[in-house]
Amino acid sequence: ELKVEQNPLFLSMQEGKNYTIYCNYSTTSDRLYWYRQDPGKSLESLFVLLSNGAVKQEGRLMASLDTKARLSTLHITAAVHDLSATYFCAGRRKTSGSRLTFGEGTQLTVNP
Amino acid sequence: EAGVVQSPRYKIIEKKQPVAFWCNPISGHNTLYWYRQNLGQGPELLIRYENEEAVDDSQLPKDRFSAERLKGVDSTLKIQPAELGDSAVYLCASSLLRDSGNTIYFGEGSWLTVV
Repeated sequence: ELKVEQNPLFLSMQEGKNYTIYCNYSTTSDRLYWYRQDPGKSLESLFVLLSNGAVKQEGRLMASLDTKARLSTLHITAAVHDLSATYFCAGRRKTSGSRLTFGEGTQLTVNP
Repeated sequence: EAGVVQSPRYKIIEKKQPVAFWCNPISGHNTLYWYRQNLGQGPELLIRYENEEAVDDSQLPKDRFSAERLKGVDSTLKIQPAELGDSAVYLCASSLLRDSGNTIYFGEGSWLTVV
């Protein structure tokens, strides 16, 4: 069974600072997803990482995947208030079809 | 292009009452999912359809939950009877099976409160 753990679960940071959210998973996952969720809203797809060493960037967010370490990271550069949200990572086992297993989420607050 | 549409957005019912949620996936998406998200947690899969077939329903509590996807498009998730512990957000999602990136798109969810 695939288990996904994120840390930290809560992150409060100042605007302009950099930080990294970590996502560890327990067994082989053939792809790794990152989603953003604003309060009362649905999940917005940020990145899909398909292979070892994959790196994707969009604005101030950069995601990477290390399948050997079973680790994905979401790096935030020069945070701004608009990035305040909950970020989820999710893994997928090829043997389970398209079922995603989500982490608990990281609640990010960016303070002015 | 319209995203995944769900209704109702909010529902408050008394325990032991039935409730149903409806989902219209993105046009052309053959895979449809129902997830449940408890407060402060990540979503958990209840059931996944490929076209009309339920291919993964291992986590659906079948004593009280049922789902259907007629004609391989819209889907309905029903709970009967509802229990207090069913209070959660029920998220519908869809994807294209042949999309190599397999991006899964979520609807805004149906928020259920059982009192």
